[in-house]
Amino acid sequence: DAGVTQSPTHLIKTRGQQVTLRCSPKSGHDTVSWYQQALGQGPQFIFQYYEEEERQRGNFPDRFSGHQFPNYSSELNVNALLLGDSALYLCASTIPGTGASGELFFGEGSRLTVL
Amino acid sequence: GNSVTQMEGPVTLSEEAFLTINCTYTATGYPSLFWYVQYPGEGLQLLLKATKADDKGSNKGFEATYRKETTSFHLEKGSVQVSDSAVYFCALLGSGGSNYKLTFGKGTLLTVNP
Repeated sequence: DAGVTQSPTHLIKTRGQQVTLRCSPKSGHDTVSWYQQALGQGPQFIFQYYEEEERQRGNFPDRFSGHQFPNYSSELNVNALLLGDSALYLCASTIPGTGASGELFFGEGSRLTVL
Repeated sequence: GNSVTQMEGPVTLSEEAFLTINCTYTATGYPSLFWYVQYPGEGLQLLLKATKADDKGSNKGFEATYRKETTSFHLEKGSVQVSDSAVYFCALLGSGGSNYKLTFGKGTLLTVNP
């Protein structure tokens, strides 16, 4: 049973570019959350998607956007990249009906470096 | 807003030593509290949780008790093993049915030496 899978695992971009990160939730899970983890910090909530809609958003600018597809997979898009966007981006999924439980299953993340 | 403060790391212990990692929180209402663990090369995993005051969460020999009077949720283990070496994150889920956001502390790196 595959867990949460994310791609790419590593990528390097330059300032001003755009990036798309992808996530496939654990089999049977229907909710996807995205977190940003800067070096030496804890994960910070970006947003959560459920039924293809953004259900809650953290304190991130509109440059950060997302999408959830009918198969529950998700994308995180970041436009106009800044140096400060360099971080590990984590995707997490939850068992149906537990989106508000705090019990998340995390992927290993996509490490973005902005030069 | 909600916040979580963990003790600064890194923490280095010898095998079979007693472990305490302190965690305090600031939140309104009655949040749920969690400890997540990140082993080297792996994604974060839920270690234990507690959803109301005086609840004790436990798993794999780790325990934490939800203390509302001191707004704390300290992680303890009586005898650590080398395999417990990891980064430990305390986290909080605010109360209210439409809140899906986990607020994490900065993490504490634990290294256990044989």
